[in-house]
Amino acid sequence: KAGVTQTPRYLIKTRGQQVTLSCSPISGHRSVSWYQQTPGQGLQFLFEYFSETQRNKGNFPGRFSGRQFSNSRSEMNVSTLELGDSALYLCASSLARGQETQYFGPGTRLLVL
Amino acid sequence: DQQVKQNSPSLSVQEGRISILNCDYTNSMFDYFLWYKKYPAEGPTFLISISSIKDKNEDGRFTVFLNKSAKHLSLHIVPSQPGDSAVYFCAASPAGGTSYGKLTFGQGTILTVHP
Repeated sequence: KAGVTQTPRYLIKTRGQQVTLSCSPISGHRSVSWYQQTPGQGLQFLFEYFSETQRNKGNFPGRFSGRQFSNSRSEMNVSTLELGDSALYLCASSLARGQETQYFGPGTRLLVL
Repeated sequence: DQQVKQNSPSLSVQEGRISILNCDYTNSMFDYFLWYKKYPAEGPTFLISISSIKDKNEDGRFTVFLNKSAKHLSLHIVPSQPGDSAVYFCAASPAGGTSYGKLTFGQGTILTVHP
């Protein structure tokens, strides 16, 4: 079974621009969570989507948003990029049937100049 | 407020010996715990998990121990291999409620296994 895929793998943007990252979950997985990893803050939860609905949100500003499509694929968008948004963005998928493991994609490395 | 803590930033072990990685948590609502291994610029790879109804779970060379009263878990790797060198994260989640899809991670421990 194919794992979680994320595109693009690397991205360079300038301050003020916006960016959209894509995540395709493992086949059959209906929950997609997004995380941001930075050297200073570690792995921080952004939000989670299930059945095209955001069920949970972390402590990030409104510039960070996401959506999920009917095939469970998910996108996250960051508007008005700031230097501090430079990070590795990870998505993870799970079956969403209670206590369960999340499986991560390879991540998108975003550099904001 | 760091709810999951890995107090050892790094650990160095000789090949063939045991590696013990530790993790403490403060939120008593956490009831599912996971360990992930991560290489730079890659996503975390799931290793092993444990539910709060157990105190031990074993999978090959990896064993996770959970001490609920001490709010402490540990990952044992026996025997350690050079390929185990990576950053290890522990993560925790509470049961259902409003914490859908949210794992809380520790800061990670860099494990180096020397040949």
